[in-house]
Amino acid sequence: DTGVSQDPRHKITKRGQNVTFRCDPISEHNRLYWYRQTLGQGPEFLTYFQNEAQLEKSRLLSDRFSAERPKGSFSTLEIQRTEQGDSAMYLCASNPQSRTGELFFGEGSRLTVL
Amino acid sequence: GDSVTQMEGPVTLSEEAFLTINCTYTATGYPSLFWYVQYPGEGLQLLLKATKADDKGSNKGFEATYRKETTSFHLEKGSVQVSDSAVYFCALSGGGSGGSNYKLTFGKGTLLTVNP
Repeated sequence: DTGVSQDPRHKITKRGQNVTFRCDPISEHNRLYWYRQTLGQGPEFLTYFQNEAQLEKSRLLSDRFSAERPKGSFSTLEIQRTEQGDSAMYLCASNPQSRTGELFFGEGSRLTVL
Repeated sequence: GDSVTQMEGPVTLSEEAFLTINCTYTATGYPSLFWYVQYPGEGLQLLLKATKADDKGSNKGFEATYRKETTSFHLEKGSVQVSDSAVYFCALSGGGSGGSNYKLTFGKGTLLTVNP
């Protein structure tokens, strides 16, 4: 049973650089989510895909953030012109439509912006 | 908007002690309620859930009952083990009127450490 995998696990970058994270969901899951978690806080919803369609974006997702899920399989989250406030753990999760609320999370991609 | 408030940690217990982690929520409508757990070095995973008032979710010796009258979903375990050391998150979905039932709102998490 392959779980949700994320890459890279840790990214250190300088302010102003662009970064991209990849998420490979569980293969039969048609729903995919991105969350952001900062130290001492719970995960916060960023965006949601059903198959290849991005159905909701949080107000937290500024214009510098973009997410895609081409062909309804893997997803990428790109952050342009990174800022120190972007430093966080970016979590990807997936689930089948039949299991609403029951998310399967990856281990996360930690971003450190210097 | 929807929100979840859970007990501030950290919580430190001895093995075989009784555990309660309090969780209360604010939501319109009838949300589903969840407890997720994050073991060291691992991703979050669902521990238990309840989808309507008075439902009791249970798993691995943990229990939580959906109390609509007190808007609470407290997590309990009668006898904790060292292996239960983890961060526990209370969460809800589908609380708003016409709201999205796919989006989870999480509490801040409670770190539990169980000593032998």
